[in-house]
Amino acid sequence: DQQVKQNSPSLSVQEGRISILNCDYTNSMFDYFLWYKKYPAEGPTFLISISSIKDKNEDGRFTVFLNKSAKHLSLHIVPSQPGDSAVYFCAARRGGSNYKLTFGKGTLLTVNP
Amino acid sequence: EPEVTQTPSHQVTQMGQEVILRCVPISNHLYFYWYRQILGQKVEFLVSFYNNEISEKSEIFDDQFSVERPDGSNFTLKIRSTKLEDSAMYFCASSDISRQGGYLLYGYTFGSGTRLTVV
Repeated sequence: DQQVKQNSPSLSVQEGRISILNCDYTNSMFDYFLWYKKYPAEGPTFLISISSIKDKNEDGRFTVFLNKSAKHLSLHIVPSQPGDSAVYFCAARRGGSNYKLTFGKGTLLTVNP
Repeated sequence: EPEVTQTPSHQVTQMGQEVILRCVPISNHLYFYWYRQILGQKVEFLVSFYNNEISEKSEIFDDQFSVERPDGSNFTLKIRSTKLEDSAMYFCASSDISRQGGYLLYGYTFGSGTRLTVV
């Protein structure tokens, strides 16, 4: 049961351009969303999060947009840098739960110099 | 910056043997978790732990798995009789809740993981 879906397994962009990573969810009980970055053989590193009461959150080069009606969120990275190359995971938390996160399958971002 | 520490980084064990994966969560966090990632697949929730007891577990977390917080700082995952399909990266995480601008922020920090290889 894929409650959090990242339909693009990979994305390749040029350095300096915008990277847009997408995530869809099916469970309307999710009320908090997070993006993590992961390098091989390392743990997920937190990037940015957004509560369902907001539609946008920005932190430096990273912006997350949430469209609740479409059950869709996206992560924008501007400008993209080669060091951003990693797997990006979308995760969601259900309101009232014991705070466990449900992850998508991830998108491999490659930023070419 | 506070970290979640996991040991060992890599564990090789024979099928049927018991393994204990160790974690030191962030000291002021109250919620603790184990997740795993089988190669090429997504990160999957195993179990959450709060107030010295399991608060939620997935269907993966069957009777061969157990968790413990033996001394107030360590958080362990024990697999009693390992199977080949238990080979995966196991991640420990801890979380806290804070307030910012009138709404709640949930902070989850993951460790670097233990790569478990069952042969």
